Amino acid sequence: GAVVSQHPSWVICKSGTSVKIECRSLDFQATTMFWYRQFPKQSLMLMATSNEGSKATYEQGVEKDKFLINHASLTLSTLTVTSAHPEDSSFYICSARGGDAGETQYFGPGTRLLVL
Amino acid sequence: GQNIDQPTEMTATEGAIVQINCTYQTSGFNGLFWYQQHAGEAPTFLSYNVLDGLEEKGRFSSFLSRSKGYSYLLLKELQMKDSASYLCAVMDSNYQLIWGAGTKLIIKP
Repeated sequence: GAVVSQHPSWVICKSGTSVKIECRSLDFQATTMFWYRQFPKQSLMLMATSNEGSKATYEQGVEKDKFLINHASLTLSTLTVTSAHPEDSSFYICSARGGDAGETQYFGPGTRLLVL
Repeated sequence: GQNIDQPTEMTATEGAIVQINCTYQTSGFNGLFWYQQHAGEAPTFLSYNVLDGLEEKGRFSSFLSRSKGYSYLLLKELQMKDSASYLCAVMDSNYQLIWGAGTKLIIKP
């Protein structure tokens, strides 16, 4: 149990385009979902926390207009990187908790974004 | 401020035992988590401790002492596939996870 999926696993895009990443909790209802970013050989960095049906809470330094988060249902959250630039290239990982999963955050497999 | 400390890197031998320590200072405590993260992959959940004592799960055990703000992850019968980073995280009074920087464990034959 407590499986989280992410799609796509890899994205390569041109500078200036927008990219949408989906995060789904497959076997539990996620009241809260989290979006992280991780650069090579660095620690996980929390970008934002989203609760179903409400606006996301962004960490300091994360631009809410650039990283749009939608948590429209108890099983789906999306992160849209708008007008992506090469410095946005990173490993984006979502996690989810709630329902039968309790307080434990379960992670999706991550999405590698490369902006050319 | 809130702080999680764990060693940056450890080396151990295949078949041996290794203990990875984690100390924390947080505003409130609602449990401590250990995650494993292989290079290039997302973290996977290993254990959750909210009460003092030792939780055993196969080759992995996790210990917690709330009065000392201390936990350890014990890995027995080390295998090469255990080479990974091990992340300690504490849930504070707001149910937010405070993450340690992770301990990179290197297993040698």
